[in-house]
Amino acid sequence: EVQLLESGGGLVQPGGSLRLSCAASGFTFSSYAMSWVRQAPGKGLEWVSAISGSGGSTYYADSVKGRFTISRDNSKNTLYLQMNSLRAEDTAVYYCAKDQGIAARLAEYFQHWGQGTLVTVSS
Amino acid sequence: DIQMTQSPSAMSASVGDRVTITCRASQGISNYLAWFQQKPGKVPKRLIYAASSLQSGVPSRFSGSGSGTEFTLTISSLQPEDFATYYCLQHNSYPRTFGQGTKLEIK
Repeated sequence: EVQLLESGGGLVQPGGSLRLSCAASGFTFSSYAMSWVRQAPGKGLEWVSAISGSGGSTYYADSVKGRFTISRDNSKNTLYLQMNSLRAEDTAVYYCAKDQGIAARLAEYFQHWGQGTLVTVSS
Repeated sequence: DIQMTQSPSAMSASVGDRVTITCRASQGISNYLAWFQQKPGKVPKRLIYAASSLQSGVPSRFSGSGSGTEFTLTISSLQPEDFATYYCLQHNSYPRTFGQGTKLEIK
């Protein structure tokens, strides 16, 4: 059974930093790209960032480019999101989701999501 | 970047109604589109993948269609548990993009 478990959320002051983690199990982690998706309170879903299975390619939304860094440790089956220079508008629930597999089977994209971790940026 | 325009943003309907939600992509995405349902405080749940394939366990009253730039999600006969917010997602290319969401409320 695929499981994704986020952690690391919390309250941080504007300008501060936070690192989110997503522990994965139940599948061959290194064979899948992974994405972070966020949802501000009362707002819609916003894709944030993705990383290829090897970690060699990374992608970012314009809203976080230059401030957030996605990474992964395939030996630990863990995905990370380092968030720097945080702003009030980064306040959201952050989800990790299983993205494209090596075989690029359409049935696999975004089928599995974690339960989310809340990040609150406030003074 | 590919923009996804979803409509309507909100709608009211009654139990038993047929409902259609539309997503338009700013450029062709083949069938790299998924539909999600989200209820308050819950994780998004995938209903449809590959534009028209029904996720296992999802009731057959949900269906998806389209390819290229125009996509629809149809609920053939609304049930009380279907009142929620629905999102489309294109995963043809990065950055991935979601539609703005459609909040489906009880009339």
